[in-house]
Amino acid sequence: KAGVTQTPRYLIKTRGQQVTLSCSPISGHRSVSWYQQTPGQGLQFLFEYFSETQRNKGNFPGRFSGRQFSNSRSEMNVSTLELGDSALYLCASSFQGAADTQYFGPGTRLTVL
Amino acid sequence: GNSVTQMEGPVTLSEEAFLTINCTYTATGYPSLFWYVQYPGEGLQLLLKATKADDKGSNKGFEATYRKETTSFHLEKGSVQVSDSAVYFCAPTRGPNAGNNRKLIWGLGTSLAVNP
Repeated sequence: KAGVTQTPRYLIKTRGQQVTLSCSPISGHRSVSWYQQTPGQGLQFLFEYFSETQRNKGNFPGRFSGRQFSNSRSEMNVSTLELGDSALYLCASSFQGAADTQYFGPGTRLTVL
Repeated sequence: GNSVTQMEGPVTLSEEAFLTINCTYTATGYPSLFWYVQYPGEGLQLLLKATKADDKGSNKGFEATYRKETTSFHLEKGSVQVSDSAVYFCAPTRGPNAGNNRKLIWGLGTSLAVNP
């Protein structure tokens, strides 16, 4: 099976812009979780989608949103970008959910200038 | 609430040295416990897991035993290699033992550098 893919791999934006990241899970996986990884904060959970419904949410502001499509592909959107949003955004898919074994994509490196 | 504490890195070892990375957690109920590894420039991947007390997870020479009495899940390897250089994350589950609110709680990660 193909692994989790994320696009784009690298992104440079300026403050105030918005960005959309995409994640394609492993075939057959209905759960997609998003994480933000930064050197200081480690890995922080953003949200989980399961069968097109948000099932779990971390402690991030409303500027961070997501959705999942009927084919389980997921997108994450960040509006009004801030410098502190610079991070590696990781997507992970699993068969049963965010507490099941997670299969991670390579991540999207977002730099906000 | 549930939390996890990993030993701080970076950890620097010589090849063939013994490795221990400590992980302790606080949790209600009986969480499942995971170790993930992140090699340079890559996403995370599952290294091993244990789902109940006294279970031992093992993979690629790494081992960790679910110790409920000490709420620990320390990662060990008897002889590390240069290729083991990576960041290691301990992650217990959080939330009720079943249901949609379960998710993983992540440690900050421990960076390991193995020198030849």
